[in-house]
Amino acid sequence: SQLAEENSWALSVHEGESVTVNCSYKTSITALQWYRQKSGKGPAQLILIRSNEREKRNGRLRATLDTSSQSSSLSITATRCEDTAVYFCASNMGYKLTFGTGTSLLVDP
Amino acid sequence: NSKVIQTPRYLVKGQGQKAKMRCIPEKGHPVVFWYQQNKNNEFKFLINFQNQEVLQQIDMTEKRFSAECPSNSPCSLEIQSSEAGDSALYLCASSLSRGANTEVFFGKGTRLTVV
Repeated sequence: SQLAEENSWALSVHEGESVTVNCSYKTSITALQWYRQKSGKGPAQLILIRSNEREKRNGRLRATLDTSSQSSSLSITATRCEDTAVYFCASNMGYKLTFGTGTSLLVDP
Repeated sequence: NSKVIQTPRYLVKGQGQKAKMRCIPEKGHPVVFWYQQNKNNEFKFLINFQNQEVLQQIDMTEKRFSAECPSNSPCSLEIQSSEAGDSALYLCASSLSRGANTEVFFGKGTRLTVV
């Protein structure tokens, strides 16, 4: 079963717009990780946000974590065509990562 | 950028054939994971190692799948008798430790097609 789930299967935006991907999880976590997977490549970690953190930024990316509602979001501002990818949230249980089902983001020029 | 190297990038096997793929983890990373990602982008954890020792593996891995991470050699994942349902992207990842706050680095994967 999926520990973490992204709430949208696919999103499409125009270049320059902002977009938010949401994730909900069902068990307690120590940290939540956001990954991006581009076509033909393995996942790359974008942000790791710990359970005692509410927000974390990495350039144009901003992740939030709400442990009371067991949800997280990843926002991308000023999107670029190269942001086109599948975005996953994942929880690290120590021995393994458990991934959500992914949200496919298409950024149109 | 990840320095986890997986070979081959593509592998085509007939049903019943052996399929073997290799992974060189990032230098200095003792923890290695193998995942299977299907065409729906769903990840399935297969097995992980710390140095040469298996930490955890799923039932599927225990039966037709075998994996090892010998010292001073690439890690490998082998399917003894490939089935059509094994067609997937096999991802190797490595990390510095098993901690939940540890960054995990993935390779580009080996795409296996069983015909």
